Amino acid sequence: AQSVTQPDIHITVSEGASLELRCNYSYGATPYLFWYVQSPGQGLQLLLKYFSGDTLVQGIKGFEAEFKRSQSSFNLRKPSVHWSDAAEYFCAVGGTGNQFYFGTGTSLTVIP
Amino acid sequence: DGGITQSPKYLFRKEGQNVTLSCEQNLNHDAMYWYRQDPGQGLRLIYYSQIVNDFQKGDIAEGYSVSREKKESFPLTVTSAQKNPTAFYLCASSLAPPGNTIYFGEGSWLTVV
Repeated sequence: AQSVTQPDIHITVSEGASLELRCNYSYGATPYLFWYVQSPGQGLQLLLKYFSGDTLVQGIKGFEAEFKRSQSSFNLRKPSVHWSDAAEYFCAVGGTGNQFYFGTGTSLTVIP
Repeated sequence: DGGITQSPKYLFRKEGQNVTLSCEQNLNHDAMYWYRQDPGQGLRLIYYSQIVNDFQKGDIAEGYSVSREKKESFPLTVTSAQKNPTAFYLCASSLAPPGNTIYFGEGSWLTVV
């Protein structure tokens, strides 16, 4: 069965520090992978996506993610976190059908 | 600008009343979805529709109903049969597969008292 695991429920980092949010997926075929960000009380905004090709993908707001098939992972990274990055982050996998599977999210707190 | 519009943003209802949440998209997307979000539980799929006049149950469809009479619209009715309706509801849409991206509206808060 398809699933997405985000092992870290909550992460706290200092402003200016680097960030890595973990995502592991379970999917039988080639996955389409996504990262979304959600501010409190708002919808989800697409940060980046991986469909094929280069396994390191760049997104908006300075985020990047790397697809590692051997580890079934799609971790999100940012070299230097800004206070405005504090939010909830969701990893998702989509397949050839119209089904999408979301992780339970990682809440990011940024300390000034 | 193209996007997904959900209304109302905030809705209060008395227990036992049905309530309908609106979702309209002008992205010309074929598929539309409704998710429920509760703290610490991520997103759970309620219903989805791939074409007009057709829809499928998601993981938590009990107590909810939908219709898809127009490509642009996918309203969700929260019925009195839904035991715990207070939640944040997200509408989304995407093009037909494969390799599609799902986009979200701004969400609707439903509080049942």
